[in-house]
Amino acid sequence: AQRVTQPEKLLSVFKGAPVELKCNYSYSGSPELFWYVQYSRQRLQLLLRHISRESIKGFTADLNKGETSFHLKKPFAQEEDSAMYYCALQGAQKLVFGQGTRLTINP
Amino acid sequence: SAVISQKPSRDICQRGTSLTIQCQVDSQVTMMFWYRQQPGQSLTLIATANQGSEATYESGFVIDKFPISRPNLTFSTLTVSNMSPEDSSIYLCSACGLAGSQETQYFGPGTRLLVL
Repeated sequence: AQRVTQPEKLLSVFKGAPVELKCNYSYSGSPELFWYVQYSRQRLQLLLRHISRESIKGFTADLNKGETSFHLKKPFAQEEDSAMYYCALQGAQKLVFGQGTRLTINP
Repeated sequence: SAVISQKPSRDICQRGTSLTIQCQVDSQVTMMFWYRQQPGQSLTLIATANQGSEATYESGFVIDKFPISRPNLTFSTLTVSNMSPEDSSIYLCSACGLAGSQETQYFGPGTRLLVL
């Protein structure tokens, strides 16, 4: 079975502080992992995927198979990063989402 | 990329009635999906809409309650049948398209449904 866990429902940090949104997964096969973001009044959109190993809007995420984690990190948070973030796992041709973390960046 | 539109954007319905949600994609896509997002919850996959054949439903969802059509590669409908207040939710259409060389799953704006 596929499962994605985001332990923090809410996360609040100050502007300029580092951010880490946690994501753990459970999947018997070889996982493909994503972070999706939903800004206020906008639709859900892809932020980044693990196979690209890229930095998007200053965010990075490394797949750690030993710890079955895919945490999202940014060294210096900006106010425009405030949004809902979902970790998702692609397996067996379907995308399974975590519960989401609402990130608030305080000025 | 693929741009997805949904109609209606929101509706308020009486219990026992049915609502059909339309999803249109601006380009041909391989896979189309329907998700539900209940208040305060994450997205849950209802079914994969298959072109020209019956949809593939996830555990807990059945065709009688959520009939789905996909007559072509760019259009799908989801009907929420015999609605009850528990069906109040956001319903999202999703489709797989290419972003550069990589297949990416795109999402529509959602249909916000309130059942009284």
